[in-house]
Amino acid sequence: GDSVTQMEGPVTLSEEACLTINCTYTATGYPSLFWYVQYPGEGLQLLLKATKADDKGSNKGFEATYRKETTSFHLEKGSVQVSDSAVYFCALSVADSWGKFQFGAGTQVVVTP
Amino acid sequence: SAVISQKPSRDICQRGTSLTIQCQVDSQVTMMFWYRQQPGQSLTLIATANQGSEATYESGFVIDKFPISRPNLTFSTLTVSNMSPEDSSIYLCSVGGLAGAYEQYFGPGTRLTVT
Repeated sequence: GDSVTQMEGPVTLSEEACLTINCTYTATGYPSLFWYVQYPGEGLQLLLKATKADDKGSNKGFEATYRKETTSFHLEKGSVQVSDSAVYFCALSVADSWGKFQFGAGTQVVVTP
Repeated sequence: SAVISQKPSRDICQRGTSLTIQCQVDSQVTMMFWYRQQPGQSLTLIATANQGSEATYESGFVIDKFPISRPNLTFSTLTVSNMSPEDSSIYLCSVGGLAGAYEQYFGPGTRLTVT
């Protein structure tokens, strides 16, 4: 079945450091891919998305490129801030189940001043 | 996008009781979902709430334990029945299918503690 694997956390970084969170997927068909962010005590917010191969999603300085050849959708940010501390979830839309998602386990990111 | 609210935001309940969580959306939506997020874990889909018909439950979740209603295109409820401490989780509703797109938008969640 469809699945998402993302790197384990916590990832601890200093402010202004570069962030990469790896995400790989297994899917039948051609899923859409998403990154969500969950700040402490809140629900999930859509951070960015990509709907087809080679698409690049970007938002708030974060980027991720849909790589079909490596079945990956790694999240990157060039210079993190303390306010980026959160849990990040990679997700895909499940084939033949319109609207249903498969989520990765989540990666906690802690940015220190 | 859509603005989604949930009530209550948190609750502490005794084992054996039931709690009904409400999810309200500011616009009509095609798809509504209910998820459970256990402490420190990812999201697990409980069911798809279908307007005007019975919800579609995922493996491991049953209607007797998690009855769901969806009387219209902007509102749904999830009841957690006969609660035990293992039901302590965050329960999130989400909506999808806006403008035909796949992304889902999430409510703020209901943090449930069962003692």
